[in-house]
Amino acid sequence: ILNVEQSPQSLHVQEGDSTNFTCSFPSSNFYALHWYRWETAKSPEALFVMTLNGDEKKKGRISATLNTKEGYSYLYIKGSQPEDSATYLCAPDSGGYQKVTFGIGTKLQVIP
Amino acid sequence: DAGVTQSPTHLIKTRGQQVTLRCSPKSGHDTVSWYQQALGQGPQFIFQYYEEEERQRGNFPDRFSGHQFPNYSSELNVNALLLGDSALYLCASSLGDTSMEQYFGPGTRLTVT
Repeated sequence: ILNVEQSPQSLHVQEGDSTNFTCSFPSSNFYALHWYRWETAKSPEALFVMTLNGDEKKKGRISATLNTKEGYSYLYIKGSQPEDSATYLCAPDSGGYQKVTFGIGTKLQVIP
Repeated sequence: DAGVTQSPTHLIKTRGQQVTLRCSPKSGHDTVSWYQQALGQGPQFIFQYYEEEERQRGNFPDRFSGHQFPNYSSELNVNALLLGDSALYLCASSLGDTSMEQYFGPGTRLTVT
């Protein structure tokens, strides 16, 4: 079982602000890292899957980086919008038939 | 193209009872994973089904069991319910043994009184 930490646990930002969150995980037995966005009353939605050290992924205003040697990933949101309000979950994957371990998430609220 | 669906949406049970939750995977997917999200925690992996067999299991007691049908839909059964089983139960589907992309359903909220 992987020990996953996400920080901060919650965050309030003003519309237009940029923000970032951190996911820390053990660097051993690393296979992949998943980022999900989970809006209230909806299903978790996959944002990124990252596998290589130094990976950078981008989807619109959201981007993520990965450092597998030190065991962390950053998620960035540029110019936050109210529709970005959600809980962002990271999930390191140690391989072995999709056995992923989720962090507790970072709850983002963007204030108009 | 329907995504992952789960039923029921909400459920209230009494301690000691048994419950069955259902999941239909995204069209074309053959693998179903189940997760439990207790209050204040991230989703915890329960088990995964592929080709009608349990392929991997998380740290959950035998009271948690499952089944996958030939059409790839799946059931999660919990026996002898405890108050601590109150949680959101999520189902996720994917294709084959790749871990690269899972699609989640909206979950079933189970309350045990």
